Amino acid sequence: ETGVTQSPTHLIKTRGQQVTLRCSSQSGHNTVSWYQQALGQGPQFIFQYYREEENGRGNFPPRFSGLQFPNYSSELNVNALELDDSALYLCASSPQGGEQETQYFGPGTRLLVL
Amino acid sequence: AQSVSQHNHHVILSEAASLELGCNYSYGGTVNLFWYVQYPGQHLQLLLKYFSGDPLVKGIKGFEAEFIKSKFSFNLRKPSVQWSDTAEYFCAVSGGSNYKLTFGKGTLLTVNP
Repeated sequence: ETGVTQSPTHLIKTRGQQVTLRCSSQSGHNTVSWYQQALGQGPQFIFQYYREEENGRGNFPPRFSGLQFPNYSSELNVNALELDDSALYLCASSPQGGEQETQYFGPGTRLLVL
Repeated sequence: AQSVSQHNHHVILSEAASLELGCNYSYGGTVNLFWYVQYPGQHLQLLLKYFSGDPLVKGIKGFEAEFIKSKFSFNLRKPSVQWSDTAEYFCAVSGGSNYKLTFGKGTLLTVNP
């Protein structure tokens, strides 16, 4: 069983640029959530996708947007990057059925904004 | 709004010592509670979870946690730590329709051999 995978593993951008991060959910999982983990902090919920629709959003501005595809993979897009966007971005997937409350995390994408 | 408080920022223990990491949460409804661990250079892994039933839950690698509803607590315990338990530990809570996780700030555990 393949776990959650994310790409790229890390990248460097400059302020004002745009970035797209990608996530492939674990087999059998139809829900994907994205989190931002700043240095020394716990992950913070950005948004969740279920059946290709946004299903809840945290306290992040609209320049953070996402997509979910029919195969349940997902993208996180961030426009107009700011220095404070530098963080580890985590994707988590959840299974269908009774265990849908449990989220399984990928390795993350480390983004540095200069 | 949900919130999670982890009392200890950094805990340093010697091998074989007992461990207890504190976690308190704030949420008005029915909650699901989790402990995740992040080993150096690795991704977040689920240690254990509580949804309902027996408030004492056992997880992987000898960890356990006790849900005390009256204290809004979900403390993590291990009777005897090993050097390999060195990691950052996160308590998290979820509730509501989309099961978003709210995390604490984490506790860094260093176990000296």
